[in-house]
Amino acid sequence: KAGVTQTPRYLIKTRGQQVTLSCSPISGHRSVSWYQQTPGQGLQFLFEYFSETQRNKGNFPGRFSGRQFSNSRSEMNVSTLELGDSALYLCASSFLGISDTQYFGPGTRLTVL
Amino acid sequence: QKEVEQNSGPLSVPEGAIASLNCTYSDRGSQSFFWYRQYSGKSPELIMSIYSNGDKEDGRFTAQLNKASQYVSLLIRDSQPSDSATYLCAVSGNAGNMLTFGGGTRLMVKP
Repeated sequence: KAGVTQTPRYLIKTRGQQVTLSCSPISGHRSVSWYQQTPGQGLQFLFEYFSETQRNKGNFPGRFSGRQFSNSRSEMNVSTLELGDSALYLCASSFLGISDTQYFGPGTRLTVL
Repeated sequence: QKEVEQNSGPLSVPEGAIASLNCTYSDRGSQSFFWYRQYSGKSPELIMSIYSNGDKEDGRFTAQLNKASQYVSLLIRDSQPSDSATYLCAVSGNAGNMLTFGGGTRLMVKP
């Protein structure tokens, strides 16, 4: 079974721009969660989608948004990029979606200049 | 604020020794507990999950959970240099799939 895939793997943007990241979960998985990883803050939860509905949201500003499609693929968007948004963005998928094991994709490394 | 605490390390052990990694959590409602391994520049890889008090063994790895003490640990037996990585403890409750991560413990296994 193919794992979680994320595109693009690397991205360089400038302040003020917006970015869209994509995640394809493991086949059959309906829950997709997004996390941000930085050296200073570690791994932090952004949001979770299950059956196209946002079920949980972390403590991030409204510039961070996401959505999930009917095939469970998910996208996250960051608008008006700031330098502090430079991070590794990780997508994780799980089957059931309640305290379930999450499998991570390779991540998208975003650099904001 | 739900918190998960880990000693940042580095924890240095000789090859063949037992590495003991510890984690405490603040939310008594936590239900699921996970250990992930992360190599530098890579994404987290699941090692173990544990849901009930006691020990759970998988090969060289043993996870231990004590909900009364709000404590989770991971033992790595016969440590190998390839085990050198950052180990992340993660906890989730019963409201969806939100994982709260500790800061990670860096393990170094010296040949």
